[in-house]
Amino acid sequence: GAGVSQSPSNKVTEKGKDVELRCDPISGHTALYWYRQSLGQGLEFLIYFQGNSAPDKSGLPSDRFSAERTGGSVSTLTIQRTQQEDSAVYLCVEGTWNEQFFGPGTRLTVL
Amino acid sequence: GQQLNQSPQSMFIQEGEDVSMNCTSSSIFNTWLWYKQDPGEGPVLLIALYKAGELTSNGRLTAQFGITRKDSFLNISASIPSDVGIYFCAGLTSGTYKYIFGTGTRLKVLA
Repeated sequence: GAGVSQSPSNKVTEKGKDVELRCDPISGHTALYWYRQSLGQGLEFLIYFQGNSAPDKSGLPSDRFSAERTGGSVSTLTIQRTQQEDSAVYLCVEGTWNEQFFGPGTRLTVL
Repeated sequence: GQQLNQSPQSMFIQEGEDVSMNCTSSSIFNTWLWYKQDPGEGPVLLIALYKAGELTSNGRLTAQFGITRKDSFLNISASIPSDVGIYFCAGLTSGTYKYIFGTGTRLKVLA
């Protein structure tokens, strides 16, 4: 069945370039999260959207990171002036308080 | 960011053996979730726990919500090759929406 989808699945970029990651969530859920998973690490919270409320951006590691959610559905995570330490798998998650549906992730490699 | 302590970090076991892993936290949680992540995929929910002391099974998987509410355990009985993957715990504090994830246990099953 339909699930959370993310694009691209893989992205290789040069240091200093901007990248945009996209998440197409399952319809019907108002909560959307972005997490980052670095090699050998757990999942790091980045940002949370809930309905029309102001997003919780407390997990964004620097001002180079931003995210938006249009129409309460599609979300994009933008990383400006990418650095090598930004290399990770970026996971979009949609869900409720007791279950979260993960997308397959975008693997970002910054050379 | 804040993370749970999950152990062991990795395990190599023989097919048919039982597996145990756990998560500990300095904070009290009201919900514990256990996820499995296959290579190239996002995590998939295995078991959810909502009450201290709760013991819940899902097939060969059994998870427990620790009495202190600061830990949780996952057991896999009679492991099979498809159990290979990374297992994550996640905890949620009452009144919040921000799940805190463990660092993961990487399981490899030798046939």
